[in-house]
Amino acid sequence: GVSQNPRPKITKRGQDVALRCDPISGHTALYWYRQSLGQGLEFLIYFQGNSAPDKSGLPSDRFSAERTGGSVSTLTIQRTQQEDSAVYLCASSFFRGGRETQYFGPGTRLLVL
Amino acid sequence: KNEVEQSPQNLTAQEGEFITINCSYSVGISALHWLQQHPGGGIVSLFMLSSGKKKHGRLIATINIQEKHSSLHITASHPRDSAVYICAVGVVTSYDKVIFGPGTSLSVIP
Repeated sequence: GVSQNPRPKITKRGQDVALRCDPISGHTALYWYRQSLGQGLEFLIYFQGNSAPDKSGLPSDRFSAERTGGSVSTLTIQRTQQEDSAVYLCASSFFRGGRETQYFGPGTRLLVL
Repeated sequence: KNEVEQSPQNLTAQEGEFITINCSYSVGISALHWLQQHPGGGIVSLFMLSSGKKKHGRLIATINIQEKHSSLHITASHPRDSAVYICAVGVVTSYDKVIFGPGTSLSVIP
């Protein structure tokens, strides 16, 4: 399945963190989501193949993401703030017959102290 | 008004009951997803719909594109169905975006 690391991550405010997602091999689409404590899921960014990503959901310019070789993706948060504490979820998907199926990773639980 | 709404927000049912969770949306969509999130955070994609009806085991999902409404039904509910059920829509815009509903917390009591 989709794997993510680290699983839990504790960091101090102001530090940079990098969250990694390994999608299922062959899946062309990759999504990053965030779920803050007690909140619903929030869309962050979406990669489709080699196309430029849609960055509209990134909450601030401290957030960036890249996807290398159409596979592994890294979500980077610079100068972390306490409000960045959340579970960061990655999902990959494939299209078949015009339909998409998403597979979610286990998430990275980020705590910013 | 939120673009994706769900009802009810919380639901408690007795084991064996038939359960319905509703989702309504106000935007043009390419597809609608039903997701299940268990305590501890694991998320499972249950259905992806663009029209009609789908069935998998005891779960049935329907969508009415004209009315911008979808329902998730659980027949013969079981305590292991206890989870948060989330409706999400893929939005038709100049780019791809997913909007999530607030979720419905279901508790099935033995």
